[in-house]
Amino acid sequence: ETGVTQTPRHLVMGMTNKKSLKCEQHLGHNAMYWYKQSAKKPLELMFVYSLEERVENNSVPSRFSPECPNSSHLFLHLHTLQPEDSALYLCASSQGVGQTTYEQYFGPGTRLTVT
Amino acid sequence: QKEVEQNSGPLSVPEGAIASLNCTYSDRGSQSFFWYRQYSGKSPELIMFIYSNGDKEDGRFTAQLNKASQYVSLLIRDSQPSDSATYLCAVNAGNTPLVFGKGTRLSVIA
Repeated sequence: ETGVTQTPRHLVMGMTNKKSLKCEQHLGHNAMYWYKQSAKKPLELMFVYSLEERVENNSVPSRFSPECPNSSHLFLHLHTLQPEDSALYLCASSQGVGQTTYEQYFGPGTRLTVT
Repeated sequence: QKEVEQNSGPLSVPEGAIASLNCTYSDRGSQSFFWYRQYSGKSPELIMFIYSNGDKEDGRFTAQLNKASQYVSLLIRDSQPSDSATYLCAVNAGNTPLVFGKGTRLSVIA
């Protein structure tokens, strides 16, 4: 256990559904991240939050909407997804962003399948 | 554009041998370097980090950093089948989140 939890662990949704992924960290960290990992592809950074402010948005389609209500919780709201959005969605946290020694700790991920 | 390059593999080594995984990076300002292990279907797990030139040992793992040549490597001594996984190199240049490589798939053959 890394101190980062994600729910649900598996999600199957249709293209017209709306769902949310949840991430919670118990490490006292100030930065949280969403990554997408597709089969046989590298990690793709989606969003970064530092002290509940979004500091990075890597050209992610608007059908993905992040929310960070406090430094311990991070959500990813999903709507009208496409089959190519099927992937492992990983949440991570770190002590902060902008210092060289800040390693990231990952949650177990949510395996998303869009039908 | 900051880049982190890794050979995708697979790298196959016999059980008990030394596995050597390499990573190069483009940003000379990079200051900290991380190795993650990812088993199939699981999330990445931090196994080592290194900040200074030279070697850093932790059990069977040794990280080696050469900033002049812009490469970092991970050696796994006495490789075990349980070491079979994808190893991700990640680099931090200060004001940005970690930049990850694509990973090298290691297969340890019993």
